[in-house]
Amino acid sequence: LAKTTQPISMDSYEGQEVNITCSHNNIATNDYITWYQQFPSQGPRFIIQGYKTKVTNEVASLFIPADRKSSTLSLPRVSLSDTAVYYCLVGVLNRDDKIIFGKGTRLHILP
Amino acid sequence: EAQVTQNPRYLITVTGKKLTVTCSQNMNHEYMSWYRQDPGLGLRQIYYSMNVEVTDKGDVPEGYKVSRKEKRNFPLILESPSPNQTSLYFCASWTGGYEQYFGPGTRLTVT
Repeated sequence: LAKTTQPISMDSYEGQEVNITCSHNNIATNDYITWYQQFPSQGPRFIIQGYKTKVTNEVASLFIPADRKSSTLSLPRVSLSDTAVYYCLVGVLNRDDKIIFGKGTRLHILP
Repeated sequence: EAQVTQNPRYLITVTGKKLTVTCSQNMNHEYMSWYRQDPGLGLRQIYYSMNVEVTDKGDVPEGYKVSRKEKRNFPLILESPSPNQTSLYFCASWTGGYEQYFGPGTRLTVT
C-alpha cells in the first residue's frame, strides 16, 4: 500500500464540519482510498472508500482531487460520539501485499 | 450475523508459556490478518493470509506464528511470549475488496 501522511490530532466542536486530509503522493493507478474509524479498545470500522472525485454515504464524504495525491474525509456536523481515531489507507486490498495502517488522526470533539 | 470472533478477549500469562489466540470469521472471506496495537504506534500488521495454507509476514512478525488450515480460522500463536508482546490484538477478514471486518480485540498481558 502507498505511504500516507495524516495530521496526528485535531480538535473540533460539536455541530461543526470536520475535514481530515491525507497525503498519498505515491498513489498507484489501481489504488483506492479507504478510511476507517476506531473507538478506544474496539476494532477499526470501515467508513468510506473512493477512487476519484467525490463519494458520499450516510456517515461521511470523501473528496479526491484530480491528481489523487491527497484526499479529504469530511464529517458533517460532528457530535461527541465522533471522537475517535481516523485512518487513511491507500491501495488495493486484494493485492497480496502487507497493509500499513499508520498512526491515524486522533479527532477530539469538544462540547 | 456477519462477524469476526476472537478468543480469549483478555489474557494474562507469564513469560515463556505458549499461548494461542483464536480468530474465526463466518463471511467466507479469503483474506485474514492479525494486527497489534500499542499506544502511540497505531495498528501494525503481524501476519496475513490470502487463502487456506497461504500466509505471509506483515510489518512485525517476530515472535509470532500463524496457520490457515481452514478458511474460517486464523489462529495466532505465541510460542514463547515475552513482556514486549503485551498489546491489544485484532483479527480482521475481508474479501477481494476494500472493507476489512475487525474482531473485538484481545488484550494480552505477559508478565
